[in-house]
Order: sequence, then structure tokens, then C-alpha cells
Amino acid sequence: DVKVTQSSRYLVKRTGEKVFLECVQDMDHENMFWYRQDPGLGLRLIYFSYDVKMKEKGDIPEGYSVSREKKERFSLILESASTNQTSMYLCASSVGQTPGNTIYFGEGSWLTVV
Amino acid sequence: AQSVAQPEDQVKVAEGNPLTVKCTYSVSGNPYLFWYVQYPNRGLQFLLKYITGDNLVKGSYGFEAEFNKSQTSFHLKKPSALVSDSALYFCAVRDFLSGNTPLVFGKGTRLSVIA
Repeated sequence: DVKVTQSSRYLVKRTGEKVFLECVQDMDHENMFWYRQDPGLGLRLIYFSYDVKMKEKGDIPEGYSVSREKKERFSLILESASTNQTSMYLCASSVGQTPGNTIYFGEGSWLTVV
Repeated sequence: AQSVAQPEDQVKVAEGNPLTVKCTYSVSGNPYLFWYVQYPNRGLQFLLKYITGDNLVKGSYGFEAEFNKSQTSFHLKKPSALVSDSALYFCAVRDFLSGNTPLVFGKGTRLSVIA
């Protein structure tokens, strides 16, 4: 089974702090994604990556950055956390370049910024 | 551009009755369509997908979905609902012409199955 692991399930951070959300997948997937989920807004894509050291902006990249130094790990960084970044963050991964490939999600990270 | 709509925010059905969760899509080429389920405080779990071939796709937990090209729909169905099916359901689409771009998700439909 594919496993996408988000190491922190619940975090509480203060406004202005730098926050790291880590995601690791164990299936040698090329593609990795970060989404945020908010009630009534569904899933919105923040950043994605098709290969090591590559990154692409999604629909809502402002206030976020990412790092992919190793194939299995994709980190989401909030440079200076703000209260409007309180949300559920979901990491996902998929294999190869075929459009029909399924993407697999981690369990999510609940971030509260106070 | 590709998009997907889930016209119902919430669906309620009695246990044992058939359920339908609706999804419509818009793409320029041929669609790849997916359904995911999310239980409380969990990530999204893959249920099923349509790539090509038979319009009726069977997936996990007894769910199935019917691809209808003329109506641009991909509704999720189950013949007999269980209380444990209560969850948030997401439809997603990718246009064949857009290659390996990220999936576009609908806003989700909350299914409540009443005992």
C-alpha cells in the first residue's frame, strides 16, 4: 500500500512564527502536492513538484514556500504564520507522468495559528 | 480550463436506501474522473476512477459511478447505504489534454446516512 506520512497531525503556532510541515512518501513517487482544505472551499492547491528540486505554484501560493531536496520528502513552509493560515493541510503523491494515475493523500495536518 | 462541480453541499439518505452523490465536470478534451472519501479528521481516500472503457466503474466499499459523456456527469452511487458511509465525498477531474497536471477538486458533498 502507498503510504504518505505527515509527521505532525496537530500543531498550534503563534503569529509570525516560521512553520514547517513535513511529508514523506514511501513509494518512490515522482509527483508530490500540498493542498489546504477549508470548509466550503474544498481543496485548494498550494504547490506541487514533479521531481527533486523542482516546484510549481498552485492556485494559492502566497505566504507559502516548499522544499524538495529528496524524492521522498516534500516540505511546506510558512515563512511567517498568520491567523488566516489556520487550516487543514493535506500532502499527496502520485507516480509518473500518466494523467490517469491516482494520487494518494496523507492523513492531514491541522494547523492553528494564534 | 478544467473544472468540476458538486451541486449539493449535503445529501441525507436513510440506511438501506440507495444513495447518489452528484458530480458534473467541464474539460476541453477527454476527462479522467476520480472520487475520494474523507472520514472525520482523516485524509482523503481513493474510491474509484474513470479513465476509459466501461461507463460504469466499480470501486471500494460497494460504491460505483457512472460516466455520462453527453451530460458531462460522473455521479457516485451505492445500492444500499450504511451509516458508516457518512463522510465527505470529493469528485475530481483532470483533462487528458492538460497532461500530468494536478487534479482539480470539487468543493465536496457531505453525506449523512440516517439509521
